[in-house]
Amino acid sequence: DTAVSQTPKYLVTQMGNDKSIKCEQNLGHDTMYWYKQDSKKFLKIMFSYNNKELIINETVPNRFSPKSPDKAHLNLHINSLELGDSAVYFCASSPLAGGNTGELFFGEGSRLTVL
Amino acid sequence: AQSVSQHNHHVILSEAASLELGCNYSYGGTVNLFWYVQYPGQHLQLLLKYFSGDPLVKGIKGFEAEFIKSKFSFNLRKPSVQWSDTAEYFCAVRSGYSTLTFGKGTMLLVSP
Repeated sequence: DTAVSQTPKYLVTQMGNDKSIKCEQNLGHDTMYWYKQDSKKFLKIMFSYNNKELIINETVPNRFSPKSPDKAHLNLHINSLELGDSAVYFCASSPLAGGNTGELFFGEGSRLTVL
Repeated sequence: AQSVSQHNHHVILSEAASLELGCNYSYGGTVNLFWYVQYPGQHLQLLLKYFSGDPLVKGIKGFEAEFIKSKFSFNLRKPSVQWSDTAEYFCAVRSGYSTLTFGKGTMLLVSP
């Protein structure tokens, strides 16, 4: 069983479209995250949710809207896609906010390509 | 604010060569330190982590890292690399209850 699963794994779309990426974790963790990995492999945190509440919102355009219907799910919706949104988006989870270990468990990533 | 610096963006080694990847962090308090690995086309996986105690930590696949507090460093080492170690390696730091901050990664290419 995949601990942190994301769908879709690949997404190719046109500029201006709206798309969503879904994430689910079956680890019973309280905290979930979205990271963006750009073409230079740099990983940057975008959002963090703890028990469905937003706790971190880095400087991200408001075209990006996370939604957490329950603590096992954290979806990412992106409006009006731009070329610069092309990246791999990783979902992750940890036991607590930051966790008592800080270790993150990552999904396999969703590669978004905006044409 | 915490930050992480990885010295090398790309490292190319032959099989059986020894590896050391540099990582420095900037935060004066208590930190947790991590090395993650990302094999081509895969997600990040934890290699090893340091919280407290013995500053020399051993991880999976023969990797180890040494925490040197005076140098704010947490370098990753492996005595003899294999072709299968070709991957991107990320150092990460966490202070208090903050989230992980990642370095920019080091791409390791091991030639057979």
